[in-house]
Amino acid sequence: DQQVKQNSPSLSVQEGRISILNCDYTNSMFDYFLWYKKYPAEGPTFLISISSIKDKNEDGRFTVFLNKSAKHLSLHIVPSQPGDSAVYFCAATTSGTYKYIFGTGTRLKVLA
Amino acid sequence: DARVTQTPRHKVTEMGQEVTMRCQPILGHNTVFWYRQTMMQGLELLAYFRNRAPLDDSGMPKDRFSAEMPDATLATLKIQPSEPRDSAVYFCASGDPGQAFHQDEQFFGPGTRLTVL
Repeated sequence: DQQVKQNSPSLSVQEGRISILNCDYTNSMFDYFLWYKKYPAEGPTFLISISSIKDKNEDGRFTVFLNKSAKHLSLHIVPSQPGDSAVYFCAATTSGTYKYIFGTGTRLKVLA
Repeated sequence: DARVTQTPRHKVTEMGQEVTMRCQPILGHNTVFWYRQTMMQGLELLAYFRNRAPLDDSGMPKDRFSAEMPDATLATLKIQPSEPRDSAVYFCASGDPGQAFHQDEQFFGPGTRLTVL
């Protein structure tokens, strides 16, 4: 039973445009969400996170939106750059457990 | 530059052989995680330790996998006997929720790519 789902395995976007990556979850106990970015032959690295008490968190070109009623979050990258080409993993956790449940990832390709 | 290190980076072995993967967490981190990345399941949590004690290994196939932390600087993941379905990339991560700049951030190593023939 996949508690965290990323239904788009891949996404291609033109440089300069917006990239939108989506993530859905089923467990209402999750109250903290993270996005990790992964380049080939490297481990995932933290990108941005959001607590369930917020509906938006922004860090430079990256914004994460959380819709608790829909159990849905999205990562927006504006403007997209070729260096953003990577696999993006969504993760969810319940505060205090420090235990992530990851999605299957979305491979983003930003075309120059 | 503190980082998680993993050895070996690549391992090719034959079915039935024992495989041991090693991880050196970031010095001072009290929590260590083992994940497996597959195409179908994404990143699955296999096990994790806090202060060297196992907290949860429910994601691990018990009959063939074992995880230990002999000391604070070394975590091991062992598969015996290995099977072709174990082929995947295995990641170690470490963290300390009390120290993290970003809440609950985990720091990942580069992974061990395991191929079981």
